[in-house]
Amino acid sequence: GQQLNQSPQSMFIQEGEDVSMNCTSSSIFNTWLWYKQDPGEGPVLLIALYKAGELTSNGRLTAQFGITRKDSFLNISASIPSDVGIYFCAGENNDMRFGAGTRLTVKP
Amino acid sequence: DTGVSQDPRHKITKRGQNVTFRCDPISEHNRLYWYRQTLGQGPEFLTYFQNEAQLEKSRLLSDRFSAERPKGSFSTLEIQRTEQGDSAMYLCASSARGVNEQFFGPGTRLTVL
Repeated sequence: GQQLNQSPQSMFIQEGEDVSMNCTSSSIFNTWLWYKQDPGEGPVLLIALYKAGELTSNGRLTAQFGITRKDSFLNISASIPSDVGIYFCAGENNDMRFGAGTRLTVKP
Repeated sequence: DTGVSQDPRHKITKRGQNVTFRCDPISEHNRLYWYRQTLGQGPEFLTYFQNEAQLEKSRLLSDRFSAERPKGSFSTLEIQRTEQGDSAMYLCASSARGVNEQFFGPGTRLTVL
């Protein structure tokens, strides 16, 4: 089963709003990654984090690797309709574990 | 397109039949991974290869499942005597040596009737 607790499960926001989601674990991970998945497609890598405390941006996306190495968050600023999808966090040691996802809906 | 490709994209089969899926990784990637994803869940790790060697298998990979990567390039995942509980999206991913970033293919959606 999943070892990562991802929240919230779903979000309904207005276009232009900022979004924040996070992932926690009882285990320490060496790498945290965030993926986005559209229906019927595979996950697409958004951001990879390699060091505790690391803060990395990719356009309107910002993610942080928690100091304890047991958590990570993803922020999306100024959301647009194409941000709709399911966002997954993943923690990697020898293999990769995924959260259950956050389903984002953006209303125009 | 030089990304990860998977074939077929969709497969419908009857219970008890065998099915085989193919994955072609990004050409310079030496690691290849198989995952299973059910509705409302994240991908679950099944197995991974480094070149042609299968280095790890999840306990999710029952003895009806077998994966191969004979030449260290493409990989196949076979499910024998399919059961309705095998219905899922089967995802393949690849990564380069020493890099933890995995890139996913579009998946094969299996429906077992």
